[in-house]
Amino acid sequence: GENVEQHPSTLSVQEGDSAVIKCTYSDSASNYFPWYKQELGKGPQLIIDIRSNVGEKKDQRIAVTLNKTAKHFSLHITETQPEDSAVYFCAAQGSNYQLIWGAGTKLIIKP
Amino acid sequence: NAGVTQTPKFQVLKTGQSMTLQCAQDMNHNSMYWYRQDPGMGLRLIYYSASEGTTDKGEVPNGYNVSRLNKREFSLRLESAAPSQTSVYFCASSELNTGELFFGEGSRLTVL
Repeated sequence: GENVEQHPSTLSVQEGDSAVIKCTYSDSASNYFPWYKQELGKGPQLIIDIRSNVGEKKDQRIAVTLNKTAKHFSLHITETQPEDSAVYFCAAQGSNYQLIWGAGTKLIIKP
Repeated sequence: NAGVTQTPKFQVLKTGQSMTLQCAQDMNHNSMYWYRQDPGMGLRLIYYSASEGTTDKGEVPNGYNVSRLNKREFSLRLESAAPSQTSVYFCASSELNTGELFFGEGSRLTVL
């Protein structure tokens, strides 16, 4: 079945710098890759997603890139702000259409 | 607009006790899900209901049962709680089986 690995587990960046979180997946049939943000005490919330017919997608300061050949996808956050501090999860859609999740990355924005 | 509502938010059980986690959504979504979240392990799917009247096992269904009561409500039952079921449980819903998930705020369960 599908397996998703996410790195790093913790990422600390200076406010205003960029942050990159990477995920790899195992099932070459996967074609949907969302990213969720989870703030303390809340449930995860979708921030961006990408499907396998595109290589990159942007939404303001957030972008996701997908490399199907290498089976990895990445989240890029530019000009980081204090409100970007949270736990970020990647996921890949498995063979039964259900999501398999990475272990999460705790992003810390230093003032 | 409440979205996805879970009750209770916190619960402490003794080993062997039973309990039911309740979930309701007001977005008229077809699909509903129960996940558990443990430190360093991300989210793992327990059960899901792709549409009213159907339920299917996820990755970690052992020790749990579910009921899709109607289109709005999806409950998770622990018949005989074990310490390994200590976790944060999230209910989610989506319009389609392959769409964006909308999560509740979670239910923190401790089994002693």
